Amino acid sequence: NAGVTQTPKFQVLKTGQSMTLQCAQDMNHNSMYWYRQDPGMGLRLIYYSASEGTTDKGEVPNGYNVSRLNKREFSLRLESAAPSQTSVYFCALADRGLWGVFFGSGTQLSVL
Amino acid sequence: QKEVEQNSGPLSVPEGAIASLNCTYSDRGSQSFFWYRQYSGKSPELIMFIYSNGDKEDGRFTAQLNKASQYVSLLIRDSQPSDSATYLCAVNEETSYDKVIFGPGTSLSVIP
Repeated sequence: NAGVTQTPKFQVLKTGQSMTLQCAQDMNHNSMYWYRQDPGMGLRLIYYSASEGTTDKGEVPNGYNVSRLNKREFSLRLESAAPSQTSVYFCALADRGLWGVFFGSGTQLSVL
Repeated sequence: QKEVEQNSGPLSVPEGAIASLNCTYSDRGSQSFFWYRQYSGKSPELIMFIYSNGDKEDGRFTAQLNKASQYVSLLIRDSQPSDSATYLCAVNEETSYDKVIFGPGTSLSVIP
């Protein structure tokens, strides 16, 4: 996962709490992504950003907000966490989506 | 909603056999097709990508693409126990090449 740093690695929240997952890269890639992974459901795209200052919805954006203030960082915010948001969250990046995405080490989030 | 479908498995093959993994996709305009391998508790890693109809070989792995049938497959020759993992198919969308969507994955078990 060289080049992609996700924090935190583990987090436990109570229902209704808020938190921000951070992702930073040192690869100078244009595109950044947030996916969630649940058992039996593969990876589902939450939001992505094709360039600094732009963001677009993915497959499952409800309940999340993102911010891409600079090329290096892409954050994911849960404003009011719900048990349905218990999942493993992966940040990923790509030079362009045409050539594949490369993943960070993941964040295990549990919402009680 | 654009979709990527895979047999969930589990797929079991004896050591030394050929493992065949299949994927179908709904977006006729997709340009890039990817295969990822994910070991339990780890991040997905890119193992193959293909853009053109036909076969692409890389060591023991062969990716096959048929755009007319909207079908992509991965063959693993001389399967080894270390190949036991979940294999994820991914495609990018025509309307946004940066948007990369994954299938649910196929679990492969190689029996010694």
